[in-house]
Amino acid sequence: QVQLQESGPGLVKPSETLSLTCTVSGGSITNYYWSWMRQPPGKGLEWIGFIYSSGNTNYNPSLESRVTISVDTSNNNFSLKLSSVTDTDTAVYYCARSGSYTGTFDSWGQGTLVTVSS
Amino acid sequence: DIQMTQSPSSLSASVGDRVTITCRASQGITNDLGWYQQKPGKAPKRLIYAASSLQSGVPSRFSGSGSGTEFTLTISSLQPEDFATYFCLQHNSYPRTFGGGTKVEIK
Repeated sequence: QVQLQESGPGLVKPSETLSLTCTVSGGSITNYYWSWMRQPPGKGLEWIGFIYSSGNTNYNPSLESRVTISVDTSNNNFSLKLSSVTDTDTAVYYCARSGSYTGTFDSWGQGTLVTVSS
Repeated sequence: DIQMTQSPSSLSASVGDRVTITCRASQGITNDLGWYQQKPGKAPKRLIYAASSLQSGVPSRFSGSGSGTEFTLTISSLQPEDFATYFCLQHNSYPRTFGGGTKVEIK
C-alpha cells in the first residue's frame, strides 16, 4: 500500500520561499499524478497544483505566479515551492496521489503544518 | 472555479443514528465527486468515488448518491469510529475544489 509523507520546515519567514517534499513509499511515483493541497487553520481545503511523473504540471490560477512543483523519479519524491509567502500561507500542507488526469485522490499524506511568521 | 457548498458544517449524532451530508456544486459535474473522512493528525481517507462507488475496504454503512449538482453521503448507522470530519471533492474540472467539511460529533 502506497504511503506519502510530507517533510520540510515548520516555520518560514514572510517574503521567503516555502519548500516541502513528499516522499512516496510502497509504490512507484511513475504513471501517477501527484498533487499538493493546503488547509489554513479553521478553513477549507485548497488545491495548489499537480505534477505528472513525466514532469507536466497544472497549477491553481490563484497561486500560479508563486508555485513550482517538481518531481524526482529517482528518489520517488516530489516537491512544492511557494515563493513570497505571507501569513495567509500558514496552513497544513498535504500531498496526494491520483491515478489519472480526471481522477480523485486515492492516497494522501497526513499533512504538515507550516507557519509563516517572523 | 466550481464552488462546492457542503452542509451542515457540523452535526451532533448518537451511535446508531442515520446521518446525511450534502454537497452542492455551482455547476453540473456529472458524477465526478468523491467523499473523504478526516481524523485529527491522520491522512484523509477516500470513502466514495464517482459519487456512489464504495472504496474497497470501506464499510457498507457508507453510501453516496447524486449526480449533476447535488450529492449526498449517508452513514446508515453511525459507529463510534465514524466521529470525524467529512468533505467532498469535485474532480470534474481544474482547479479541483472542496466542500467546506462537516464535523460529526457525539451527541
